[in-house]
Amino acid sequence: AQTVTQSQPEMSVQEAETVTLSCTYDTSESNYYLFWYKQPPSRQMILVIRQEAYKQQNATENRFSVNFQKAAKSFSLKISDSQLGDTAMYFCAFMNRDDKIIFGKGTRLHILP
Amino acid sequence: GAVVSQHPSWVICKSGTSVKIECRSLDFQATTMFWYRQFPKQSLMLMATSNEGSKATYEQGVEKDKFLINHASLTLSTLTVTSAHPEDSSFYICSARVAGSGTEAFFGQGTRLTVV
Repeated sequence: AQTVTQSQPEMSVQEAETVTLSCTYDTSESNYYLFWYKQPPSRQMILVIRQEAYKQQNATENRFSVNFQKAAKSFSLKISDSQLGDTAMYFCAFMNRDDKIIFGKGTRLHILP
Repeated sequence: GAVVSQHPSWVICKSGTSVKIECRSLDFQATTMFWYRQFPKQSLMLMATSNEGSKATYEQGVEKDKFLINHASLTLSTLTVTSAHPEDSSFYICSARVAGSGTEAFFGQGTRLTVV
C-alpha cells in the first residue's frame, strides 16, 4: 500500500524566514506525481506545487520549491521569505496510477509576525 | 485555475434523515470526481472515486449503501449521506479532474455536516 508520512505535526517560524516541511512516501510504482497542498483556515485546498517523478529537476513556484529525492522517496517543501499568509495546514500528497490522491497527515505551519 | 463548486457549505440535519451534497465543475468537464472526508485537525481520507456514467468505486471500509455517490454528468457529482447519525458529522470535500489535463485536480470548498 502507498503511504505518505509527514513527521512534523506543527511548526512555527518568524516572518521572512525560510522553513522546510518534510515528507516521505512509499510506493513500488516508478512513475507517479507528488504534490504539496495548502489548506488555510477557510479549508479550501490549494495546490502549492507538484512534481513528476520522472523529472529529476526539482519543481519551483516563486517562493516555494521542493527537494525531490526519488531514491530516498523524500519530497520536502521549502518556503522562502515566509509570509503571514503562508500560515496554513500543508499536506504532502501522492497520486498513484489509479489517479487517486493519497494525503499525508499534514503539518500545521504558523508564521509569526 | 478551474473552479469546483460544492454546495451546501454547511448543513445541519436530524439523525435519521438523508443529506445530499453537490459538487459541480463550473468551467470544465470532469471525467473523474473524488470524495473525501476530513475529521477535525486530520488529513483527507478518500471515500470514493466516481467516473461519469459508471458506478463509484469505494475505498475499503466505506459503506456504499450509506454514502451514495452519483456522477450523472461531466459537471456534477453528488454524495448522499443516508440515514445520517452523529458519527457521520464531518467535513466532506470533493475534487474533480479535468479530462485530458494530466494530473491537475481541483477541490471544492467543502461541506461541514453536523448531525444532531
